Amino acid sequence: EVQLVESGGGLVKPAGSLRLSCAASGFTFSNAWMSWVRQAPGKGLEWVGRIRSKTDGGTIDYAAPVKGRFTISRDDSKNTFYLQMNSLRTEDTAVYYCTLDRLNDVDPQFRDWGQGTLVTVSS
Amino acid sequence: DIVMTQSPDSLVVSLGERATINCKSSQSVLRGTANRDYLGWYQKKPGQPPKLLIYWASTRASGVPDRFSGSGSGTDFTLTISSLQAEDVGVYYCQHYHSVPRAFGQGTKVEIK
Repeated sequence: EVQLVESGGGLVKPAGSLRLSCAASGFTFSNAWMSWVRQAPGKGLEWVGRIRSKTDGGTIDYAAPVKGRFTISRDDSKNTFYLQMNSLRTEDTAVYYCTLDRLNDVDPQFRDWGQGTLVTVSS
Repeated sequence: DIVMTQSPDSLVVSLGERATINCKSSQSVLRGTANRDYLGWYQKKPGQPPKLLIYWASTRASGVPDRFSGSGSGTDFTLTISSLQAEDVGVYYCQHYHSVPRAFGQGTKVEIK
């Protein structure tokens, strides 16, 4: 059974930093492409960014609103995926979800999601 | 970038009636090599993560009731709930995963009349 567990959320002041983690189990993490998705209060779902598997090049892509401020990384030895958030703004307040973007050509993409972790940016 | 647009923004349907949600992409999300549309549908309820309902535009995810169906190809897609149940209340999103940035539609809120 796939499990994705986010941690690291909390209250942070504008311009501050926070690092989210997503611990994965139940699948071959090193083969997986992983994405972060967020939902601000009262708003829709917003894709934040994705990291490919190292065997697929390890490419990292970001949504425009977070590019240059957020950094996605992974540690395959720990089956963990990260989102380093710097220069945080009030509009980054959201529940952040990690999700299994792609595992292979057979399994559905975005089938598995963590429960989410709340990030609140406020003074 | 591919932009996803859903219609309507909200829907009020009687129990047992059909609900239809449309999703349009600004470019085709069909990949010829795989002959698949890289399009998913999700149900979102407060306090819960998104739940995948449909993938490859028309394949029902495991455990999803057969009253949910997806159709369409290229740029125009539809999610149909054939007989709305009380537990189907929520917000529904389409999303493409054809390329980056992956993008969601703005969501369609489904309520019971």
